[in-house]
Order: sequence, then structure tokens, then C-alpha cells
Amino acid sequence: RKEVEQDPGPFNVPEGATVAFNCTYSNSASQSFFWYRQDCRKEPKLLMSVYSSGNEDGRFTAQLNRASQYISLLIRDSKLSDSATYLCVVIHSGTYKYIFGTGTRLKVLA
Amino acid sequence: NAGVTQTPKFQVLKTGQSMTLQCAQDMNHNSMYWYRQDPGMGLRLIYYSASEGTTDKGEVPNGYNVSRLNKREFSLRLESAAPSQTSVYFCASSEYNSYTGELFFGEGSRLTVL
Repeated sequence: RKEVEQDPGPFNVPEGATVAFNCTYSNSASQSFFWYRQDCRKEPKLLMSVYSSGNEDGRFTAQLNRASQYISLLIRDSKLSDSATYLCVVIHSGTYKYIFGTGTRLKVLA
Repeated sequence: NAGVTQTPKFQVLKTGQSMTLQCAQDMNHNSMYWYRQDPGMGLRLIYYSASEGTTDKGEVPNGYNVSRLNKREFSLRLESAAPSQTSVYFCASSEYNSYTGELFFGEGSRLTVL
């Protein structure tokens, strides 16, 4: 079983829809959490960090649930340009190891 | 703004051949990483170097060696390439702390082993 798991999708949603992704992690020593975005055949780029209290950046909201060991990403008012693969990333306490999930593919349809 | 530079961008090898992927960063980051990405598998950590002079195994280190040549450069070597090592390889660097720690990636190196 992979340490960080995501539903691979694809999630096909119409423009303007709200879509949510979950990511579960198995190592309770995980300390830091991030969402990255990867466009087709490109390198991943940081979308947002995930803080314990939850955080919002425009149309994007990230939440952390330590008790259930999952993080979530909510995208409101989806745009065509949001079509990409979304990767969740965790770092274990005391290490420098960034562990990636398998990614969730999103397609926003016109 | 160079950031993280990887070479080569494309390479075709025959089974058993060796090669080295080069990576350099100009952001003065302490930590550097090598990942491979295969369809449906996400990014898997091969090796990382938390700081100059140290290297550690990641999730899938078998068949690879690394060298942290100096603070800027981190190379990945395939001593005897196998078809299972056909993949896209990404180098990354970061100045990790528990609150930020953004990973900056190179553009990737596409390796095919025949």
C-alpha cells in the first residue's frame, strides 16, 4: 500500500463547478502537507501549503484532518485552466523526504 | 532565472548501458532530490541529499547511485540500465523548513531503455 494515496480520477466537471479531492496518508509522523499541481508533460509546481487550521487562496481551500489522516483540496468556480493533475505531498517529522501521492487528474469541461 | 537545470532532457539507452543524469540549482538550496515518474504511479523518491555531503535512500533506490558533488550539483547514475528504468526523472531542490519548504523542479529527463 502506498504511503500517500489519492483517487486517480479523472474527475470531469463543468466550468463553474465545485470539486473536492481527498488524500490519505498512513504515517502518523507526517508533519507538513502540500498540494502541488502538474500540467501535462510538465514539472510539478507548488499550489499551496496545508496548515492545521485550514487555509484558503482565492478559489482554493485546503484542509487537514490529523485524526483521520487526510488532507483535502476544494476548488470553487472551476476554470478550464484548472485542468491538471493535483498531487498531495507529505513530509515526515525530522526528515527532508517529500513523499508524493499518485495524483488526481481533473478535467474542466466547457 | 535558471532555477533547477537537468541534463540531458532525452536519452535512449540499451539494456546494460550506463549513464549519469546531471542536476544543478542556482538558488543556494541545501536539499536536493531525485524522483522518477511513471504512469499511474505519481512521483517516487529515488534518493535525496538533505545537505552537502549527505545522501539518503528514498522509496525506490535500487539500481541507482547518486553523488552530491557540491552544494549546487546532485547527479544520478544508472550503472546498468534496465527496461524497468524507463521513466521521466525529475530533479528538485528546496530550502526546507516545516512551514514553507517549496520544492523547485527541473523540467525532467525522459529516459527510454530498450
